[in-house]
Amino acid sequence: SQELEQSPQSLIVQEGKNLTINCTSSKTLYGLYWYKQKYGEGLIFLMMLQKGGEEKSHEKITAKLDEKKQQSSLHITASQPSHAGIYLCGADISAGGTSYGKLTFGQGTILTVHP
Amino acid sequence: DSGVTQTPKHLITATGQRVTLRCSPRSGDLSVYWYQQSLDQGLQFLIQYYNGEERAKGNILERFSAQQFPDLHSELNLSSLELGDSALYFCASSKQGIPVFGPGTRLTVL
Repeated sequence: SQELEQSPQSLIVQEGKNLTINCTSSKTLYGLYWYKQKYGEGLIFLMMLQKGGEEKSHEKITAKLDEKKQQSSLHITASQPSHAGIYLCGADISAGGTSYGKLTFGQGTILTVHP
Repeated sequence: DSGVTQTPKHLITATGQRVTLRCSPRSGDLSVYWYQQSLDQGLQFLIQYYNGEERAKGNILERFSAQQFPDLHSELNLSSLELGDSALYFCASSKQGIPVFGPGTRLTVL
């Protein structure tokens, strides 16, 4: 099984709808990174969370790291076609958070937004 | 544009061959990471270099090797290529622990 599980694997929404993507780890998350990828292209960094309970927002995207630091959620408010893509969570799950940026990634969530 | 450059963008080769992928990190970044992305395995960490020294190793095959040069650019060498090596290969660099990814090299092994 994956060390980082993302759900759902794919999501189709109508423009203007809200949506949430989850990332669950079997180990403590010392750093949780959210990236967006257009198919076949590079990853674009969205946000990084480190502290339990931390929440960050950028435009209409909000990410949270739960208190126990084993799950993160990414919430998009009033989705737009420009939000479409693959969302990947990456995490430092090494003991004590000593991975020096070496990340384990989830399988990704494919988001489609219909106008 | 992330500031991380990778060449070539596409590479098509035959089984048994050897290829070299090149990466130039963002200006000032000392860490370089290599990742492989395939449909069945997802995005997998291969190896990391910091200022010329190997710092961390993932599930990198023995047929694969990498190095980081004094000017901080890095090369990933893939040899005895197999069909299953077909994938997107990403380089990333970082200064403060947040990896910034390049556009990738798509390798197709026929």
